[in-house]
Amino acid sequence: SSELTQDPAVSVALGQTVRITCQGDSLGSYYGNWYQQKPGQAPLLVIYAKNNRPSGIPDRFSGSSSGNTASLTITGAQAEDEADYYCNSRDSSGKHHVFGAGTKVTVL
Amino acid sequence: QVQLQESGPGLVKPSETLSLTCDVSGYSISSGFYWGWIRQPPGKGLEWIGTIYQSGDTYYNPSLKSRVTISVDTSKNQFSLKLSSVTAADTAVYYCARDNWNGYDSSAYDYWGQGTLVTVSS
Repeated sequence: SSELTQDPAVSVALGQTVRITCQGDSLGSYYGNWYQQKPGQAPLLVIYAKNNRPSGIPDRFSGSSSGNTASLTITGAQAEDEADYYCNSRDSSGKHHVFGAGTKVTVL
Repeated sequence: QVQLQESGPGLVKPSETLSLTCDVSGYSISSGFYWGWIRQPPGKGLEWIGTIYQSGDTYYNPSLKSRVTISVDTSKNQFSLKLSSVTAADTAVYYCARDNWNGYDSSAYDYWGQGTLVTVSS
């Protein structure tokens, strides 16, 4: 399968922890990545290769992986973390990229 | 700092060819990495279009493969997208991005352009 499945939406209270997941067969072979996208902005890579943060990404963002599932955890969610989050990886062939449909994170 | 910038017409007529260019600064395309195009229809999610290596090797989304051509010009440090026979369904924000593929198991788009909206309409 070349699909990545995400929950459409989750909410989290300010300062609390939220975990969003991404499931797909290709995640058994290739690491999942996570992008944050705010309205009117380009996607921003927040986690790659399971649990690596690009420079400038706060350490409240962390990633993990188990079998065919990749997860993004925001520990101590802030108001500015409200955004759409997309997972992505190569597909099972290794030649193509696939994106999940996105998870809208609302910080209450 | 790596920067990418998309350019091209913002309006394309149905059945015509959409053409966009991505200018890269702060990194030489000929030094390596893969370079890709991703699009996002208004209010919808991200869709991968295709990717190219500095050697010219290309990989395309199977659903778009018959209409897509991605090319690279290392002398200008830019790469380009052509999408033929466009319809209203091709209206989207088009992004170019760098793929930090390690050749084994990790491949992420670490630098993105700001995106450019292309509308298909007569």
